[in-house]
Amino acid sequence: AQTVTQSQPEMSVQEAETVTLSCTYDTSESDYYLFWYKQPPSRQMILVIRQEAYKQQNATENRFSVNFQKAAKSFSLKISDSQLGDAAMYFCAYRSGSGGSNYKLTFGKGTLLTVNP
Amino acid sequence: DGGITQSPKYLFRKEGQNVTLSCEQNLNHDAMYWYRQDPGQGLRLIYYSQIVNDFQKGDIAEGYSVSREKKESFPLTVTSAQKNPTAFYLCASSIFVVSSYEQYFGPGTRLTVT
Repeated sequence: AQTVTQSQPEMSVQEAETVTLSCTYDTSESDYYLFWYKQPPSRQMILVIRQEAYKQQNATENRFSVNFQKAAKSFSLKISDSQLGDAAMYFCAYRSGSGGSNYKLTFGKGTLLTVNP
Repeated sequence: DGGITQSPKYLFRKEGQNVTLSCEQNLNHDAMYWYRQDPGQGLRLIYYSQIVNDFQKGDIAEGYSVSREKKESFPLTVTSAQKNPTAFYLCASSIFVVSSYEQYFGPGTRLTVT
């Protein structure tokens, strides 16, 4: 079974600075997808960024980018120019690409990000 | 606007009572999911359904039941057999094709059982 580990329960960053959240995963599959979701205090889960394992290029979405290291099974999220609205719980998630009953998401336990003004 | 609705936002029940959480989507998605969120535990999959009238157990299905009679609806019943039902419950949906992978989430229901 796949597992996702987020080793940082909490992180903090100063407004306008850069922060990196860590995620590692364990899988024997070669085809899969990785995601970062954001859960603000409203508790609405919002997709931040996604990465297909077959793509070597790291995904970017405005101020959010990932460092995908397939061999190391690492998928970190970098937030540049941090804003107060970035304060949230961030979850790393894995989804198998092999189809069938494996479209479910497996989540890490989350990293709580605080942004200091 | 398309989206997922869950009602109610807060739900209170007495121990020993079954309770049903609602989840409706108008995104025309094939697949729907129920997750449970506890502090420090992340999200764990309870049940999922890929098509109408079909559903599978997730990682923590004991004490829960679901139905999928309509594409738009995937209600979750928390039975009295669930030992620790107090939690935040999230419903999600997605298109069920290989090339699509994003799950969209509802706003969640906070269930408190005393």
